Amino acid sequence: DTAVSQTPKYLVTQMGNDKSIKCEQNLGHDTMYWYKQDSKKFLKIMFSYNNKELIINETVPNRFSPKSPDKAHLNLHINSLELGDSAVYFCASSQHGWTALGATNEKLFFGSGTQLSVL
Amino acid sequence: ELKVEQNPLFLSMQEGKNYTIYCNYSTTSDRLYWYRQDPGKSLESLFVLLSNGAVKQEGRLMASLDTKARLSTLHITAAVHDLSATYFCAVANNNDMRFGAGTRLTVKP
Repeated sequence: DTAVSQTPKYLVTQMGNDKSIKCEQNLGHDTMYWYKQDSKKFLKIMFSYNNKELIINETVPNRFSPKSPDKAHLNLHINSLELGDSAVYFCASSQHGWTALGATNEKLFFGSGTQLSVL
Repeated sequence: ELKVEQNPLFLSMQEGKNYTIYCNYSTTSDRLYWYRQDPGKSLESLFVLLSNGAVKQEGRLMASLDTKARLSTLHITAAVHDLSATYFCAVANNNDMRFGAGTRLTVKP
């Protein structure tokens, strides 16, 4: 069973379109995250939700809107896609939130990534 | 702002050799992580270092943390081809967690 699963794995779309990436974790974790990995492999956090509540919202265009229907799901919706949105997007989860990360040897568990290409 | 710098960004080494990857960070933190990423794959957690002087080893990889110097190292001993991947360090501080740019390691026969 995949612990953190995200779909689709590949997403190719035209500029201006609206698309969604879905993420689900079956680990019973309280906190989920979205990261963006750019072409230089640099990972940046975008959002973090703890028990469906937004905890971290980095400087991300408001075209990006996360939605957490329950604590096992965190979907990412992107409006009016731009060329610069092309990247690999990773979903992740942890048992608790930021402040607990490391306190009990807790780790982040990552999904396999969604490669988004905007043409 | 928490900043994380890794070096080198690219590392090509021969099998059997030793090398060290460095991770410097800018503000106080005592939680540091090392991750491995294979091409086209997700990140795999390698080590979590919690306190000053922490050292963890698994196989040919050993990670250490010096919180006073704000430095972590990932030491590779007698490299083998299977270690070829990109290695990321990540530092957490309260509600902030930052990844380094990654070190792309290639181990050649």
